[in-house]
Amino acid sequence: AQSVTQLGSHVSVSEGALVLLRCNYSSSVPPYLFWYVQYPNQGLQLLLKYTSAATLVKGINGFEAEFKKSETSFHLTKPSAHMSDAAEYFCAVSVFGNEKLTFGTGTRLTIIP
Amino acid sequence: KAGVTQTPRYLIKTRGQQVTLSCSPISGHRSVSWYQQTPGQGLQFLFEYFSETQRNKGNFPGRFSGRQFSNSRSEMNVSTLELGDSALYLCASSLYSGAGNTIYFGEGSWLTVV
Repeated sequence: AQSVTQLGSHVSVSEGALVLLRCNYSSSVPPYLFWYVQYPNQGLQLLLKYTSAATLVKGINGFEAEFKKSETSFHLTKPSAHMSDAAEYFCAVSVFGNEKLTFGTGTRLTIIP
Repeated sequence: KAGVTQTPRYLIKTRGQQVTLSCSPISGHRSVSWYQQTPGQGLQFLFEYFSETQRNKGNFPGRFSGRQFSNSRSEMNVSTLELGDSALYLCASSLYSGAGNTIYFGEGSWLTVV
């Protein structure tokens, strides 16, 4: 069965600093990988997804993620953090034949002014 | 284009009661799935419907059920509510069923069981 692990349940960065949120996946077949963001009292918003077309995926709000098969990773980055990026971020995986999304435990991002 | 709409947004129920949550997918989307989000268990898949057929089911007791109508709208029902059923229930829709599809989430229904 597929799974994802998000390292760091809480990450704090200063405004303007690099954001790096880590996600490692486990899957015996090629995965589809997603990053979602959840703002307080809201649902999930898709930031970006990897579906094997390109290993570097650009998403909304300046975020991007790179699929690294050798490291089984799909880390999310943003060059310069903004106060509005404060939220919870979820990495998720699905695979052909088991199309449900399997989520990581989430990383709460705090931006320090 | 309207997003995924869930009703009601907030509700409080008593242990032993049942509850029905409703979801209207994005226009044209035929796949609807449901997820439960709790602080302890995180985001867990409940079930997915496509063309009125349940295609996939998560590891939840039979008290949790759902259905999809011909217009793709979906409902989920929880019977004999327990305190542990208190959660945010998220509905999501996509054009088709299948891995890699872009899945869009609604804002959720907050259920509190007292």
